[in-house]
Amino acid sequence: AQSVTQLGSHVSVSEGALVLLRCNYSSSVPPYLFWYVQYPNQGLQLLLKYTSAATLVKGINGFEAEFKKSETSFHLTKPSAHMSDAAEYFCAVSDPGAGDKLIFGTGTRLQVFP
Amino acid sequence: DGGITQSPKYLFRKEGQNVTLSCEQNLNHDAMYWYRQDPGQGLRLIYYSQIVNDFQKGDIAEGYSVSREKKESFPLTVTSAQKNPTAFYLCASSTGQGVRSQHFGDGTRLSIL
Repeated sequence: AQSVTQLGSHVSVSEGALVLLRCNYSSSVPPYLFWYVQYPNQGLQLLLKYTSAATLVKGINGFEAEFKKSETSFHLTKPSAHMSDAAEYFCAVSDPGAGDKLIFGTGTRLQVFP
Repeated sequence: DGGITQSPKYLFRKEGQNVTLSCEQNLNHDAMYWYRQDPGQGLRLIYYSQIVNDFQKGDIAEGYSVSREKKESFPLTVTSAQKNPTAFYLCASSTGQGVRSQHFGDGTRLSIL
């Protein structure tokens, strides 16, 4: 069975600092991996996705993630945090054997301090 | 613009009452999904449908029901059998082809009176 673990339910950074949100996955087949962002009382917006092409994936709003098979990781990074990045971030893995449903991590809330 | 519309934004349910959450999409997507979100638990799949007139249970289907009579619509009914219905409910859709990243609506927050 596939699963996703997000290390750290809360991460705090200063504006301008590096953002690093951690995601590790477990999958018996080559996975598709996703990062979503959620602002308060809204739905989820896709930041980026890994589809077995390039291991370094660039997304919207300056975010990127690197797929590392040896570490079973797909960490999300951004070189310089902005106040508008404060939100909750979800890592997800798809399960092609079950209607491509997404299996989500429990989320990481990012706070950005001025 | 194409997208997913969930209504209402806020919904209140009395004890013993069934309520229906609406989800409509104009993205021409084949697959649709319902998730429940609780603080600290991420999103959990309730039901999903890959094609009209067909749907499957997700991980927490007990106390919920769905229908998929039209491609555009996937309503979710929270029945009185769902003992803890207070949550944020999210509807999503995907193309059903290629890498199927899901598109989400803005959610419905259900509370018990």
